[in-house]
Amino acid sequence: SQQGEEDPQALSIQEGENATMNCSYKTSINNLQWYRQNSGRGLVHLILIRSNEREKHSGRLRVTLDTSKKSSSLLITASRAADTASYFCATDEGSSGSARQLTFGSGTQLTVLP
Amino acid sequence: DGGITQSPKYLFRKEGQNVTLSCEQNLNHDAMYWYRQDPGQGLRLIYYSQIVNDFQKGDIAEGYSVSREKKESFPLTVTSAQKNPTAFYLCASSIGKLRADTQYFGPGTRLTVL
Repeated sequence: SQQGEEDPQALSIQEGENATMNCSYKTSINNLQWYRQNSGRGLVHLILIRSNEREKHSGRLRVTLDTSKKSSSLLITASRAADTASYFCATDEGSSGSARQLTFGSGTQLTVLP
Repeated sequence: DGGITQSPKYLFRKEGQNVTLSCEQNLNHDAMYWYRQDPGQGLRLIYYSQIVNDFQKGDIAEGYSVSREKKESFPLTVTSAQKNPTAFYLCASSIGKLRADTQYFGPGTRLTVL
């Protein structure tokens, strides 16, 4: 079952601009993760934000989490052509240890034009 | 893609044949996972294993089988019972046994049924 849903499905920007992607989810979560996938490759973990955190930074990445709205955003600043990829949010849902699972959204395809 | 390898990169199968996809990790991770990704879609969990000689069905296990005889290896067999096996298959691992842990992905195997 899909928990996180990314928006927009596709985004095209010029190099140097900022890119913002959003993720909405339905049930309460323990944490939310963002992953990146280059075309035809595996996913790479970018950042994890816990349910008690509101904002987190990693290099040019900024992630926010609003648990009251059940949404998260990923901001990539000063984008580069190499940032072209699909970006997925993954939510950690469930309340007991072994029952917790990571559920991936359908992704945002980001294209950065040189 | 870290210390997870998948082979082959491309695989072609005739209808009615079983095929096995290889996944090996040298990260000493306890848990391993198999996902299926269809074009423009997120990841769907097929099987996961938290310890050697034990594995659990994910959301779409029908037509697939796995084994976990060694910590480093988690092969996936796509059987002839899988009605629509053409897809991109991703193997992942995580340090802990929680399915919600950060996951590290292999480069994927693209399976095409002829």
